[in-house]
Amino acid sequence: AQSVTQLGSHVSVSEGALVLLRCNYSSSVPPYLFWYVQYPNQGLQLLLKYTSAATLVKGINGFEAEFKKSETSFHLTKPSAHMSDAAEYFCAVNGSSNTGKLIFGQGTTLQVKP
Amino acid sequence: GAGVSQSPSNKVTEKGKDVELRCDPISGHTALYWYRQSLGQGLEFLIYFQGNSAPDKSGLPSDRFSAERTGGSVSTLTIQRTQQEDSAVYLCASSRGSLPSPQHFGDGTRLSIL
Repeated sequence: AQSVTQLGSHVSVSEGALVLLRCNYSSSVPPYLFWYVQYPNQGLQLLLKYTSAATLVKGINGFEAEFKKSETSFHLTKPSAHMSDAAEYFCAVNGSSNTGKLIFGQGTTLQVKP
Repeated sequence: GAGVSQSPSNKVTEKGKDVELRCDPISGHTALYWYRQSLGQGLEFLIYFQGNSAPDKSGLPSDRFSAERTGGSVSTLTIQRTQQEDSAVYLCASSRGSLPSPQHFGDGTRLSIL
């Protein structure tokens, strides 16, 4: 069965500091992996996706993530945090090989301190 | 260039009433998804429509929940005899095809059951 674990429900960083949000997955089929961001009272916005091409994936707003099969991880990073990055972040994996449904992690709330 | 549109944005109703939630996907998107977001359960898959195929209903929590998609476009999620545990944000997403096409989310309908 597919599952996603996001380590740390809350992460706090200073403005300008490195952002690291952790995601580990379990998948019985080749995974497609996604990171989404959610701002208050809004839907989810796609940051980036891994679809079995390059293992280092670059997304919007300066975010990137690296797929590491040996570690079953897909951690999200950004070199320098901005105040506008404060939001909730979700990692997701495909539910199976023949369905479009996504299995989401529990989310990580990122706080950026001035 | 409209995104996924959901209505109403907020719905308050009494326990035992039926509710209908509407989703207008992005034009040309063949796949449509419903998810539920609640504090206790996180983001849960409910149902998935892909073209003319039979929908994947594996995430519907009970037979009080149903959904239809008319003409391959607009979808309605219906909850009959609402219960307080149905209170949540219901998110709709659409994609150009199945995975790995990314899913684009609406802003959701916040449902409150009194």
